[in-house]
Amino acid sequence: DQQVKQNSPSLSVQEGRISILNCDYTNSMFDYFLWYKKYPAEGPTFLISISSIKDKNEDGRFTVFLNKSAKHLSLHIVPSQPGDSAVYFCAATGPSGAGSYQLTFGKGTKLSVIP
Amino acid sequence: GEEVAQTPKHLVRGEGQKAKLYCAPIKGHSYVFWYQQVLKNEFKFLISFQNENVFDETGMPKERFSAKCLPNSPCSLEIQATKLEDSAVYFCASSHGSNQPQHFGDGTRLSIL
Repeated sequence: DQQVKQNSPSLSVQEGRISILNCDYTNSMFDYFLWYKKYPAEGPTFLISISSIKDKNEDGRFTVFLNKSAKHLSLHIVPSQPGDSAVYFCAATGPSGAGSYQLTFGKGTKLSVIP
Repeated sequence: GEEVAQTPKHLVRGEGQKAKLYCAPIKGHSYVFWYQQVLKNEFKFLISFQNENVFDETGMPKERFSAKCLPNSPCSLEIQATKLEDSAVYFCASSHGSNQPQHFGDGTRLSIL
């Protein structure tokens, strides 16, 4: 039973355009969500996070949107750059204060930004 | 340090041998997490620590796997009597607080022959 789903294994975007990566979750107890970027042979690099009390968080070119009623979040990258080409993982944790902060990961989306 | 440091990068063991992996969390981070990446993109939580205390070990296999985080030493993950199925990349992560972003090391690739 996969609690965090990234239904698109891959995505190709032209340089300068917007990249939109999607993530759905099933566990309504999740209340903290994160996006990580991963290059081959390296560990995941934290990009941006959002708490369930918000619906949007922005950091430079990266914006995460959270729709709690739909149990859906998305990562927008604008403008996309060739260096953004990597595998992007959505992760979730919660409930806060319940005693476990393990991350539950999706299976990733491979983003290719074409020059 | 400013990064999570994992050693070794690659570890090769014969089936039945012991394997020990190390992780130095970011200085000042009080939470440490271990994850196993078996299939290409699937991460499985193993165990977490708050300082030197086990915080959550619900993901640890009951036998053969153990982990420690002792004061003034790197954290460690040890696998006794390794099996072929233990071949994976093991990632360590640390965080400043309980619900703060986890920062990952580059992993240790364990190959069991």
